[in-house]
Amino acid sequence: IAGITQAPTSQILAAGRRMTLRCTQDMRHNAMYWYRQDLGLGLRLIHYSNTAGTTGKGEVPDGYSVSRANTDDFPLTLASVVPSQTSVYFCASSDQGGDTGNEQFFGPGTRLTVL
Amino acid sequence: GQNIDQPTEMTATEGAIVQINCTYQTSGFNGLFWYQQHAGEAPTFLSYNVLDGLEEKGRFSSFLSRSKGYSYLLLKELQMKDSASYLCAVRDGDYKLSFGAGTTVTVRA
Repeated sequence: IAGITQAPTSQILAAGRRMTLRCTQDMRHNAMYWYRQDLGLGLRLIHYSNTAGTTGKGEVPDGYSVSRANTDDFPLTLASVVPSQTSVYFCASSDQGGDTGNEQFFGPGTRLTVL
Repeated sequence: GQNIDQPTEMTATEGAIVQINCTYQTSGFNGLFWYQQHAGEAPTFLSYNVLDGLEEKGRFSSFLSRSKGYSYLLLKELQMKDSASYLCAVRDGDYKLSFGAGTTVTVRA
């Protein structure tokens, strides 16, 4: 693994199904984030985690849940998908804190289609 | 919260210069980032400003005025590969980013 990975690359599923999007990073970053990207709306923060064991809500958290059991993994669960959750989902991580820019590094994304 | 505005689209000729403006209104400010995103790919980091002034990095430069809530990204000597979306993002005191909707730049020969 190099950097940040996401799985699956894409998924099509029926409304009402449960779905977990996986995200793993090997950079030992303390902070991780989940975004959705929709045409014309840009990237919107769903949930975030500043360190293992803690999570927080972003701008659009409804219908999504996360957990952060360890530093490397940050799965996003959609308990019962609806068509409005059709989007491209990006996971990101950063080495939060300090005086540097601490930019976020993004995974390749998961394209989710809900029928 | 954050309100971030940038133009939707810009077109320029290969070899030219393009300036992408970004204005923001924030409840907290801890830095401004520019990202590049090619179609179907992940965003990648371009630049970071936390103090007023110009940051230059090769063909790309970014400027920040905190008092005006204004930034721009300057792309010089445009190349075809610079055709992409450019995302302006503001970081708050909790290290969370809020993104603008992005500016799609098309470079024509």
